[in-house]
Amino acid sequence: AQSVTQLDSQVPVFEEAPVELRCNYSSSVSVYLFWYVQYPNQGLQLLLKYLSGSTLVKGINGFEAEFNKSQTSFHLRKPSVHISDTAEYFCAVSEGGNEKLTFGTGTRLTIIP
Amino acid sequence: GAVVSQHPSRVICKSGTSVKIECRSLDFQATTMFWYRQFPKQSLMLMATSNEGSKATYEQGVEKDKFLINHASLTLSTLTVTSAHPEDSSFYICSAPGLLSSSYEQYFGPGTRLTVT
Repeated sequence: AQSVTQLDSQVPVFEEAPVELRCNYSSSVSVYLFWYVQYPNQGLQLLLKYLSGSTLVKGINGFEAEFNKSQTSFHLRKPSVHISDTAEYFCAVSEGGNEKLTFGTGTRLTIIP
Repeated sequence: GAVVSQHPSRVICKSGTSVKIECRSLDFQATTMFWYRQFPKQSLMLMATSNEGSKATYEQGVEKDKFLINHASLTLSTLTVTSAHPEDSSFYICSAPGLLSSSYEQYFGPGTRLTVT
């Protein structure tokens, strides 16, 4: 069975600084990887996904993530954050071809003005 | 993008009563919907897969007689928490896959906060 680990429960970052949110996964088969964002009082929204092909994936709002198979990681990055990026970020994995998602525990990103 | 709604957004009920949560796909049809439960500071845990026109598929450890799921139409799935107890208090979230199966994208509802007193 697959699992997802987000080691950082909270990440405070100064506005316009870069940020990296870490995600590691474990699975015995090939996986699809996702990052979702949850803004206050809203549902989860897809930021980006890796299904196949290029390991560097670009998403919405200037975010990107890199799939590293050898390190079983899919870290999320943004070169310069804004106040509006304050939200909860969830990494998720599905085993190839299966719609079921397994989520990490989430990372709360707080932007400091 | 596709929109999924949930109703109610918050509900408080007394122990022993039942409460129904609705999940609707507003501008697309969903033959499958997923129900998740989220505890404070924990990840979303998949409870069950709701299938239109057939029985729901429950994850291991989820009581199907306690969490009744009905997928009555292509745009509506309901989760009924029967004989609720305080330990059922949680945040319940539904999702539906997008129109393109190859995209593997899911659309999530805003969630329902259930408090059992």
